[in-house]
Amino acid sequence: DAKTTQPTSMDCAEGRAANLPCNHSTISGNEYVYWYRQIHSQGPQYIIHGLKNNETNEMASLIITEDRKSSTLILPHATLRDTAVYYCIVRVAGGETSYDKVIFGPGTSLSVIP
Amino acid sequence: DAGVIQSPRHEVTEMGQEVTLRCKPISGHNSLFWYRQTMMRGLELLIYFNNNVPIDDSGMPEDRFSAKMPNASFSTLKIQPSEPRDSAVYFCASRDSFYYEQYFGPGTRLTVT
Repeated sequence: DAKTTQPTSMDCAEGRAANLPCNHSTISGNEYVYWYRQIHSQGPQYIIHGLKNNETNEMASLIITEDRKSSTLILPHATLRDTAVYYCIVRVAGGETSYDKVIFGPGTSLSVIP
Repeated sequence: DAGVIQSPRHEVTEMGQEVTLRCKPISGHNSLFWYRQTMMRGLELLIYFNNNVPIDDSGMPEDRFSAKMPNASFSTLKIQPSEPRDSAVYFCASRDSFYYEQYFGPGTRLTVT
């Protein structure tokens, strides 16, 4: 799986949009970008994933650059409950069990400030 | 669905004792994962199963660690003998083969004194 790099930490004012960047310059054509987050003392939680088109769900939006070498997770209206560590992961999504190995990096610690 | 269930939530034991952590995946999910999380090493994948069969155990730190999945609704991670450096939060996760995202349990916080 391709390696990702993320900023160690970020701050965001409550109510504003939080934009979390991720660099994955060595991503392969068949690798998806996944985002998870981990709120303190809880297990990681899936947020969103995408291949090359932008994606949106009830939690967030995912913007992937045209060359797919980077992406941005957007929390449109950050709340205090969004304070967490956010992990960006790239992996192949297919039927082969050998592709199930997901590697979590250190992630970005997002602090939402009142 | 109740989500992934782990027990116990907290475990304190003395060095040398056997520790068994338990996990019940989400019903219908056919892949199960065990992770360990520490401040120093972050979130590490220990082992994962697909259809109850261990696929990759390369993350298991040493022979003191073993994992089993006797059926689709239950898995154990055993440490024997336990050591202080095994102190960590252990997470279990499961996924459905169609959707691919993993669902994590609340974790077991293990302290070995």
